[in-house]
Amino acid sequence: EVQLVESGGGLVQPGGSLRLSCAASGFTFSDHYMDWVRQAPGKGLEWVARSRNRDNSYTTEYAASAKGRFTISRDESKNSLFLQMNSLETEDTAVYYCARVARSCSIDYWGQGALVSVSS
Amino acid sequence: DIQMTQSPSSLSASVGDKVTITCRASQDISNALTWFQQKPGKAPKSLIYGASNLQSGVPSKFSGSGSGTDFTLTISSLQPEDFATYYCQQYKNYPLTFGGGTKVEIK
Repeated sequence: EVQLVESGGGLVQPGGSLRLSCAASGFTFSDHYMDWVRQAPGKGLEWVARSRNRDNSYTTEYAASAKGRFTISRDESKNSLFLQMNSLETEDTAVYYCARVARSCSIDYWGQGALVSVSS
Repeated sequence: DIQMTQSPSSLSASVGDKVTITCRASQDISNALTWFQQKPGKAPKSLIYGASNLQSGVPSKFSGSGSGTDFTLTISSLQPEDFATYYCQQYKNYPLTFGGGTKVEIK
């Protein structure tokens, strides 16, 4: 059974940093692209970042809102995906979801989400 | 960036109704479109990929169609568990983009 479990969310002041983790199980982690998607309170879904798989050298893509401030990475030995978020702004307040990307290149599984609140 | 426009933004329907939601892309995305369902306080759930392919375990009352710029999600007979918000997403080009969502409410 595919499972994605996020952790690391919390309250942080504007300008601060936070690192989200996503523990993956039930599939071969290195075979899959992985995404971070966020949802601000009462708003729609926004794609944040992608990590390609081992065959594609774990290269990355970012939304404009994340580029230069956020870094997506993996630890294959721990089957974990990370999102390092720096220079956080109040507009980054959201639930952050970890998601698996299928071979079709579409998301097929989602984690339960981690809430990040940026406030003074 | 490719803009994804969903319509309507909300709709009211009764149990047993057939419901159709539309998603329009600002440029040709071939069939690189997926549909998600999200219930309040829950993570999204993947329903359809490649515009018309049902994800494993998704009931056949859901169907998707379209190619190029115009796509539809149809629920053939609305059931109580189908009241939720539905999103489309294109994965043809980066940045990946979502539609604004369609909230399906009980009439």
